[in-house]
Amino acid sequence: QQQVKQSPQSLIVQKGGISIINCAYENTAFDYFPWYQQFPGKGPALLIAIRPDVSEKKEGRFTISFNKSAKQFSLHIMDSQPGDSATYFCAVFSGNTPLVFGKGTRLSVIA
Amino acid sequence: NAGVTQTPKFQVLKTGQSMTLQCAQDMNHEYMSWYRQDPGMGLRLIHYSVGAGITDQGEVPNGYNVSRSTTEDFPLRLLSAAPSQTSVYFCASSYLVSGNTIYFGEGSWLTVV
Repeated sequence: QQQVKQSPQSLIVQKGGISIINCAYENTAFDYFPWYQQFPGKGPALLIAIRPDVSEKKEGRFTISFNKSAKQFSLHIMDSQPGDSATYFCAVFSGNTPLVFGKGTRLSVIA
Repeated sequence: NAGVTQTPKFQVLKTGQSMTLQCAQDMNHEYMSWYRQDPGMGLRLIHYSVGAGITDQGEVPNGYNVSRSTTEDFPLRLLSAAPSQTSVYFCASSYLVSGNTIYFGEGSWLTVV
């Protein structure tokens, strides 16, 4: 059973547009929701993360929106740039159990 | 500060051969793990360790062995490689506290022919 479902699988956005990636989870015990960014040929790197006691967290052009009742969280990239083209993974975490990742979204930002 | 170091970067194996992917971290992290990444499958956990001498299975452990004799090192062993193990392998580490950043190595590309 997939613990976190990520969509879309791929996304093409015009430069300057907003990129939105969504994740849904089932287990209400999860208490940490990070997003990882991965460039080709590199390992994933933490981009931004949120805990369920807040509904939104913003860092520069990147924002996580969190809906605890719907068990969903999303990544918004404002003013998307070609340098944002990468694969994005959401993840969920509970206690000392390992991170569980979504299947990833390949974002392409075109000029 | 090197972070998480994986070797080798690329490897081609013949079916049935054995090999070890090396992973070392210099951040004194208690938690270390191995993931494999396949197209459309995301990152799937193979094995993980919460400290020296302690290991546990993840989502896809079959065909892989691990050991954790020191805090720094967490090697992944393929005892008899199969074409289904062709993948990109990532080692990761973090402090053992909820919400701590997990740091990934740069990956090891393995092809089994």
